[in-house]
Amino acid sequence: NAGVMQNPRHLVRRRGQEARLRCSPMKGHSHVYWYRQLPEEGLKFMVYLQKENIIDESGMPKERFSAEFPKEGPSILRIQQVVRGDSAAYFCASSPTSGGAVEQFFGPGTRLTVL
Amino acid sequence: AQTVTQSQPEMSVQEAETVTLSCTYDTSESDYYLFWYKQPPSRQMILVIRQEAYKQQNATENRFSVNFQKAAKSFSLKISDSQLGDAAMYFCAYREDMGRRALTFGSGTRLQVQP
Repeated sequence: NAGVMQNPRHLVRRRGQEARLRCSPMKGHSHVYWYRQLPEEGLKFMVYLQKENIIDESGMPKERFSAEFPKEGPSILRIQQVVRGDSAAYFCASSPTSGGAVEQFFGPGTRLTVL
Repeated sequence: AQTVTQSQPEMSVQEAETVTLSCTYDTSESDYYLFWYKQPPSRQMILVIRQEAYKQQNATENRFSVNFQKAAKSFSLKISDSQLGDAAMYFCAYREDMGRRALTFGSGTRLQVQP
């Protein structure tokens, strides 16, 4: 059973461009979480999705950021008009259910660099 | 809002010795879960150990154990017989039982293991 897949692993964008980060959860997992890690900091929650639904987007900036998890295909975190402050590692995690004790399995992350 | 505090930015331990990493948290909930994650240089987040707040018995996983003090809202990680492969960032994390599904992370402790 393959783990959580994220691509690309590294992404370089110039200010004003769009960044698309992809996350394929583990097989059988229908819950996806996105976290952002700024340099030398812990992970900060951004958004929680189930198939075709956004459940909790309380950690995601209201502007320029959006996320989706379609019925078919990976979850996408989209950042429009990137700025230097968006440079960070973005981690996706998945779980089979949403219970409190259920482990979230993390992908290897996408490191976004904005020039 | 829940907060997780790791007051030790860096710790160092000699190989084969024991080290304890500290974590405190703040919550008004009575049921919740606590986790320690390891992030090696590869940046992959790996679950080390988990504790259910309703359990009085401290969790143990091989060389890793926790000291969970619910009244003091303290959750420390003890690593026995430290190995070179234990060198990593360690993050303490909190998750509600019934409410918010997101993990709340501390800022991390960088553990160095000296040969």
